[in-house]
Amino acid sequence: LAKTTQPISMDSYEGQEVNITCSHNNIATNDYITWYQQFPSQGPRFIIQGYKTKVTNEVASLFIPADRKSSTLSLPRVSLSDTAVYYCLVGPANTGFQKLVFGTGTRLLVSP
Amino acid sequence: ETGVTQSPTHLIKTRGQQVTLRCSSQSGHNTVSWYQQALGQGPQFIFQYYREEENGRGNFPPRFSGLQFPNYSSELNVNALELDDSALYLCASSHRLAAESNEQFFGPGTRLTVL
Repeated sequence: LAKTTQPISMDSYEGQEVNITCSHNNIATNDYITWYQQFPSQGPRFIIQGYKTKVTNEVASLFIPADRKSSTLSLPRVSLSDTAVYYCLVGPANTGFQKLVFGTGTRLLVSP
Repeated sequence: ETGVTQSPTHLIKTRGQQVTLRCSSQSGHNTVSWYQQALGQGPQFIFQYYREEENGRGNFPPRFSGLQFPNYSSELNVNALELDDSALYLCASSHRLAAESNEQFFGPGTRLTVL
């Protein structure tokens, strides 16, 4: 299983861009990088998934360098409602979720 | 489209008792996974069901068991409850054949307290 390392917490202000980096040095060739968001007392919510280079959707962007040993989740112009825990998961796609491990995540606090 | 629902929302049990938690998957999803989330920790994978068969299990003892029904709803059963079983239990549904996707849809969870 690929081990991931993320900052425990980050602080930001409304309107700023937030970048959360995840380190995954032992990522395997068939592994994807997936990010989830979790609000207090709710289940996690899928944000974005990527394999290489850059992926963008209406919520976030995911940047993956060529060596794939790290990835950066970018949240443009955050608001108070983006305060949540963000999890980086690394593992193969569609082969069963036992290989996708949620760590302790990054606790993002957005202030006015 | 109905999302993933779980019942009950909260539950209090005493040590040694048994508990059944229920989950209704999102329409069209044929895979359900269950997770345990202790306070301040990330969700931990318990097991996964596909077409009513368990096809993946995390590091949990056999007293954690499950069922998936033909309508893709599911149950998580925990026997001989221990104090450390107090946690938020989450179920997540997905479509097995969703190509190269690790997207799961989580329910709101059941908060279990064991006294």
